[in-house]
Amino acid sequence: EPEVTQTPSHQVTQMGQEVILRCVPISNHLYFYWYRQILGQKVEFLVSFYNNEISEKSEIFDDQFSVERPDGSNFTLKIRSTKLEDSAMYFCASSEYRGLAKNIQYFGAGTRLSVL
Amino acid sequence: KQEVTQIPAALSVPEGENLVLNCSFTDSAIYNLQWFRQDPGKGLTSLLLIQSSQREQTSGRLNASLDKSSGRSTLYIAASQPGDSATYLCAVNSDTGKLIFGQGTTLQVKP
Repeated sequence: EPEVTQTPSHQVTQMGQEVILRCVPISNHLYFYWYRQILGQKVEFLVSFYNNEISEKSEIFDDQFSVERPDGSNFTLKIRSTKLEDSAMYFCASSEYRGLAKNIQYFGAGTRLSVL
Repeated sequence: KQEVTQIPAALSVPEGENLVLNCSFTDSAIYNLQWFRQDPGKGLTSLLLIQSSQREQTSGRLNASLDKSSGRSTLYIAASQPGDSATYLCAVNSDTGKLIFGQGTTLQVKP
């Protein structure tokens, strides 16, 4: 069964460093998302991406964050200068549709980001 | 602004018991609702999706219902097993595509 793949599974970084989280969505999907989950809190939407541009972003997704689809298969989330409060599990998701009742989002296993 | 709430936050039951997890949302203008399972430190596994026009959806021992007008969904787990122990999340999907999650119900099924 097709799946969303995320690498690395765990990333440790120093405060102020740049990190890039990588995702390979399901191949025929067109809509891509990033969510995050701070330990013990709800899963929160960060950004959605379609046709090589951001469709929607949350208040969390400030200028420190960026997303890119550098080629036909990868979807990345970059945090330019990490802060302690960026420590969280980051989930990538993809879907074939958007705004339709049958839109199922499939999630990757996540990247745990630890900022020291 | 859409808010999603799940009750209870935690639940412990003996093996074999049938149980119901609850999810409520404040804005009935949804496209669908998804139930997920999350094991500790792991990703989200989609269990069921109920479209806004549907009343219920079934997969094996799982049955999810949706009452959009009252802003409620339930996940019914029949004959619970220790392997069902996990956190169960519900999430609603609006026309923009983003999912808005509840805080989850952590289920423990004791042998």
